[in-house]
Amino acid sequence: QSVLTQPPSVSGAPGQRVTISCTGSSSNIGAAYDVHWYRQLPGTAPKLLIYSNNNRPSGVPDRFSGSKSGTSASLAITGLQAEDEADYYCQSYDSSLSGSEVFGTGTKVTVL
Amino acid sequence: EVQLVESGGGLVQPGGSLKLSCTASGFSFSGSAIHWVRQASGKGLEWVGRIRIKSNNYATSYAASVKGRFTISRDDSENTAYLQMNNLKTEDTAVYYCTRPVLWLGFSFDPWGQGTLVTVSS
Repeated sequence: QSVLTQPPSVSGAPGQRVTISCTGSSSNIGAAYDVHWYRQLPGTAPKLLIYSNNNRPSGVPDRFSGSKSGTSASLAITGLQAEDEADYYCQSYDSSLSGSEVFGTGTKVTVL
Repeated sequence: EVQLVESGGGLVQPGGSLKLSCTASGFSFSGSAIHWVRQASGKGLEWVGRIRIKSNNYATSYAASVKGRFTISRDDSENTAYLQMNNLKTEDTAVYYCTRPVLWLGFSFDPWGQGTLVTVSS
């Protein structure tokens, strides 16, 4: 049902860099709507990680960065740490039908 | 501290109704839209709907999967938003979160409540 597609899982060793893609369409990311990213630790509520494509809220380390191009966006995590093991979701707005917020399918990051 | 707290979840039979509450503190509730998002066990996040503020006529919008069955309302005097869920189906079983879009964060959602579990089962 999600209109934003993410890889189900990505993994990396401590210290490595991983990226998560978020693929949309011309009615959401491609229509210049902002992309936001959330991290969800097991058993907890999602927490804002990146807003408006490439901005970090106060308190989020600069190991996390976002980018957007065309109908896709990406989240990069550098210097991977054990505490980064979590689920990550992208989010945007979709103007099709009556318009709605949309989330990505989610990506599980595993630290090897 | 900006905080949102959901309540009202529980076990309900298919076809039944349930009303969730989302109580806010630490910010101007009347000046903020409120969104509801749900997450089935082991699944991803699904946007449910939102209610805007008084100056936007408390306009509501819903996901296709709940339109006609769910209603969002708010009581600004109580700093509380509600999600009335009618004709519940087993596929509505999920943790329900409320959250708010933040202007200076590009209308991203921050913070989120801790969630309340709704189980639809006979």
